[in-house]
Amino acid sequence: DAKTTQPPSMDCAEGRAANLPCNHSTISGNEYVYWYRQIHSQGPQYIIHGLKNNETNEMASLIITEDRKSSTLILPHATLRDTAVYYCIVLYNTDKLIFGTGTRLQVFP
Amino acid sequence: GAVVSQHPSRVICKSGTSVKIECRSLDFQATTMFWYRQFPKQSLMLMATSNEGSKATYEQGVEKDKFLINHASLTLSTLTVTSAHPEDSSFYICSARYLGGGEKSPLHFGNGTRLTVT
Repeated sequence: DAKTTQPPSMDCAEGRAANLPCNHSTISGNEYVYWYRQIHSQGPQYIIHGLKNNETNEMASLIITEDRKSSTLILPHATLRDTAVYYCIVLYNTDKLIFGTGTRLQVFP
Repeated sequence: GAVVSQHPSRVICKSGTSVKIECRSLDFQATTMFWYRQFPKQSLMLMATSNEGSKATYEQGVEKDKFLINHASLTLSTLTVTSAHPEDSSFYICSARYLGGGEKSPLHFGNGTRLTVT
């Protein structure tokens, strides 16, 4: 599975959009991009995943570049409850989901 | 939908005793469940893959005789930490994939079990 690179931390003001980047320059054609988040002392929560096209659900939007070498998770209106560690994971299937170090997002009032 | 429940959420045990952690998929069936461990300020580490009706597959460096996994039904997997020691104190998390969702369907995670060995 392709390796991903994420900034270790980011800040975002409450109510503003949080844009979390992820680089996955070695992604192969059949690998998906998955995003999870982990709020302190809880299990990870699935957010969204995609292959080529941009995706949107009730939680977030996922923007994948045309060359698929990077992606951005967008939380359109961040709230304090969105403070968490966000993980970008690239893989072909969801067996052996391997977590990197993720991005610690701090939403401030 | 797709709720995964873990029990207990917290457990304290004495060194040398064994502890069993349950992972249940409440509203779906899962042939495969995964067990992770997370130490403070670190990321999740995959320990093993639990397969219904067959032996678990352990990741390199994980002792299968110490971390016993049983997946007796399509909705229940258990992890037993045998002869626990203080260094086994950690946050244990399970996950499951909806049986009918295909290999691309996302995993759903339980809320974890915090084990403290005194």
